Amino acid sequence: GENVEQHPSTLSVQEGDSAVIKCTYSDSASNYFPWYKQELGKRPQLIIDIRSNVGEKKDQRIAVTLNKTAKHFSLHITETQPEDSAVYFCAARMGGGADGLTFGKGTHLIIQP
Amino acid sequence: EPEVTQTPSHQVTQMGQEVILRCVPISNHLYFYWYRQILGQKVEFLVSFYNNEISEKSEIFDDQFSVERPDGSNFTLKIRSTKLEDSAMYFCASGDFWRSTEQFFGPGTRLTVL
Repeated sequence: GENVEQHPSTLSVQEGDSAVIKCTYSDSASNYFPWYKQELGKRPQLIIDIRSNVGEKKDQRIAVTLNKTAKHFSLHITETQPEDSAVYFCAARMGGGADGLTFGKGTHLIIQP
Repeated sequence: EPEVTQTPSHQVTQMGQEVILRCVPISNHLYFYWYRQILGQKVEFLVSFYNNEISEKSEIFDDQFSVERPDGSNFTLKIRSTKLEDSAMYFCASGDFWRSTEQFFGPGTRLTVL
């Protein structure tokens, strides 16, 4: 089955700086890669996603890049703000809508004021 | 905006007891999922459900687990004989892949097995 590795496990950045979180996946059949943000005690919420036919996607301060050849994808957050502090999970999915997501272990992003 | 809801928010049970976790997916969604998250760990896929049957299940989803859509709105996860290691947050999710690939997560049910 699919395996998703995520790094780093903890990332501390100064407010206003950029943060980058990286994930690799094992199965080249994976075609959908979402990123979820989870605040303490809350549900995971989708912040951005990318499909395998696209190399990059941006939404305001957040961007995701995908390198299918290397089987890795990254989340980029620019101009970080205190409310960006949370745990971020990458995930991958093979097949269609009936298939489950395989998650990485998460990155605890800490924004230092 | 419609949201996935789950009940109860917290369930405490004794080892060996049966529990049923309930979810109400977003009304026009066709795909339903259960995930679990052991405290401090990653979210793990359990099972997906489409067209009134299981589409995919993980190794975690053994014979102790079952899912059901008893009516047009609810989606349940049953654990027949709970073990200590079943203690986790259980998330239900739903998706409508006609318009979006997103899976929308519910707020979760924290299951504590004593």
